[in-house]
Amino acid sequence: GAGVSQSPSNKVTEKGKDVELRCDPISGHTALYWYRQSLGQGLEFLIYFQGNSAPDKSGLPSDRFSAERTGGSVSTLTIQRTQQEDSAVYLCASRFLPGAGIRDTEAFFGQGTRLTVV
Amino acid sequence: QKEVEQDPGPLSVPEGAIVSLNCTYSNSAFQYFMWYRQYSRKGPELLMYTYSSGNKEDGRFTAQVDKSSKYISLFIRDSQPSDSATYLCAMMGDYGQNFVFGPGTRLSVLP
Repeated sequence: GAGVSQSPSNKVTEKGKDVELRCDPISGHTALYWYRQSLGQGLEFLIYFQGNSAPDKSGLPSDRFSAERTGGSVSTLTIQRTQQEDSAVYLCASRFLPGAGIRDTEAFFGQGTRLTVV
Repeated sequence: QKEVEQDPGPLSVPEGAIVSLNCTYSNSAFQYFMWYRQYSRKGPELLMYTYSSGNKEDGRFTAQVDKSSKYISLFIRDSQPSDSATYLCAMMGDYGQNFVFGPGTRLSVLP
């Protein structure tokens, strides 16, 4: 597709349930990021994938959060046993080749998944 | 102290005004400085970027970086209602893989 695609666009779940959020990056982009954006807050880094390297998981807030990227393309962010404080917009972004100069490394964002835990 | 600080606003200005948006940061290793614009219920999109210190102009937008003061600015001239959005600054080091974002400033340009 032409841009980063995220699904679902909205998700309402009950506290304690598991959820999966999906990100389809731009074809050929080697880097993929997940961010969380709470109301009135900036983008909180969660996890970063680059090619075949081990992901940078330093931003994951707890062991209830995990993510994988299959075949260097699609990524899934999983939140287990959701809590109300997990309610936020989860944004995915992809980049072509980090470190090659900013013109080649612009991050393109999806429209996000708005997660509401009730 | 957060790595990147930004006044969250909201900031309301009349159409045609000059808008000044600012961020301060603490990490002297940052070399790439970006401004993203985020419309309501959309993902952020890159507006402008600069490398190291200096100014960059693109139409009605001017980005300034003062590394000695660890201070960056985005100026919007002749602001339009279509400029109403949240503006996020973002920064990255020379060899960094990751961006650090400010919390964003919500701007409303009133017709």
